[in-house]
Amino acid sequence: KNQVEQSPQSLIILEGKNCTLQCNYTVSPFSNLRWYKQDTGRGPVSLTIMTFSENTKSNGRYTATLDADTKQSSLHITASQLSDSASYICVVSAGGSYIPTFGRGTSLIVHP
Amino acid sequence: SAVISQKPSRDICQRGTSLTIQCQVDSQVTMMFWYRQQPGQSLTLIATANQGSEATYESGFVIDKFPISRPNLTFSTLTVSNMSPEDSSIYLCSVLGEKLFFGSGTQLSVL
Repeated sequence: KNQVEQSPQSLIILEGKNCTLQCNYTVSPFSNLRWYKQDTGRGPVSLTIMTFSENTKSNGRYTATLDADTKQSSLHITASQLSDSASYICVVSAGGSYIPTFGRGTSLIVHP
Repeated sequence: SAVISQKPSRDICQRGTSLTIQCQVDSQVTMMFWYRQQPGQSLTLIATANQGSEATYESGFVIDKFPISRPNLTFSTLTVSNMSPEDSSIYLCSVLGEKLFFGSGTQLSVL
């Protein structure tokens, strides 16, 4: 069964600090992995998308890594801002399927 | 990229009533998806809506409870029928282009 596990479930950090969120998956065959940011009560917004051949991709202060061998991904947030407070969702798609598998998300709170 | 307008953004409803959620896409798309996100949970696919055919429902979701319309390639509606407090969730429409795009969500509370 395809699964996506994220950790930690929640995280509280001080403004300006860095943090790293983790995603482990068992989706097969792997097609791509996406990280989304979801503000409270809103729809998810795409941050990065990575395919099998990519191991790092950046979007401003967000850097995603992918290790397809160990089936792990991380999202690193640099110099956090209050506006980074949100849920971060890891989404993995299998080849041949248009229905991705969603993680439960990591809830990030950035305190001033 | 695709821009999806979803409404209403939120609503508070009485049990036993129905709510219809609308999604308008700024480009033609073959497949639209409807998701439910219960508090603290991941997104769960309700159904896939193709234009000109009946929606395909995932296990645990039925047409009588969640009727879907897809009259053309840019528009779809999801109705939550005979609501109960257990239907309180965020409902999201989505389309698949070069990436998965989501509407802004409808936060539904059923009293």
